[in-house]
Amino acid sequence: ETGVTQTPRHLVMGMTNKKSLKCEQHLGHNAMYWYKQSAKKPLELMFVYNFKEQTENNSVPSRFSPECPNSSHLFLHLHTLQPEDSALYLCASSQDQGNSPLHFGNGTRLTVT
Amino acid sequence: ILNVEQSPQSLHVQEGDSTNFTCSFPSSNFYALHWYRWETAKSPEALFVMTLNGDEKKKGRISATLNTKEGYSYLYIKGSQPEDSATYLCAFMRNYGQNFVFGPGTRLSVLP
Repeated sequence: ETGVTQTPRHLVMGMTNKKSLKCEQHLGHNAMYWYKQSAKKPLELMFVYNFKEQTENNSVPSRFSPECPNSSHLFLHLHTLQPEDSALYLCASSQDQGNSPLHFGNGTRLTVT
Repeated sequence: ILNVEQSPQSLHVQEGDSTNFTCSFPSSNFYALHWYRWETAKSPEALFVMTLNGDEKKKGRISATLNTKEGYSYLYIKGSQPEDSATYLCAFMRNYGQNFVFGPGTRLSVLP
């Protein structure tokens, strides 16, 4: 049990679909993150929320839309994705946006057809 | 663009062997370095948080050292076991409040 839960674990969607990824943490952390892991590439930061405010948007295309309704929940809304968006999407949280270690979820394996 | 490199990309060792691998990062500014272990079908798990030049951290058979002046950190595993098989990631923070940049990882396979 990592303390960070992501759903769904696997998702297959067409390019015209709209879907959402969900992340939940009950560690009392104030910062939450979305990372993307593409094949043979390092973990790539997408978005950061600190105290529910977005503090980082790492030049992510607008077809990815994050939402952080409270410090415990983070969503990634997906629409009109491309096949190259197929990847593992990891959520993480940390006590703050400083030096605290990241706690990761198990990820959502996304396939765009 | 920050470049964080790890070497080797992958390695295979026999059970009982000791091994080490490297994380390299820019030496101009340093705030923190983290090591994570990522086992297949699991989530990355923090191993060490390192902040000071000369830091040496240990957790069981795994230890790590840090040289901020030359921009590298070593991770050592003594007496490797099959359960040590995983991808080991390092993550570098240049300044406080900036986000971590991850290296590509070293994939370790320990053969029984």
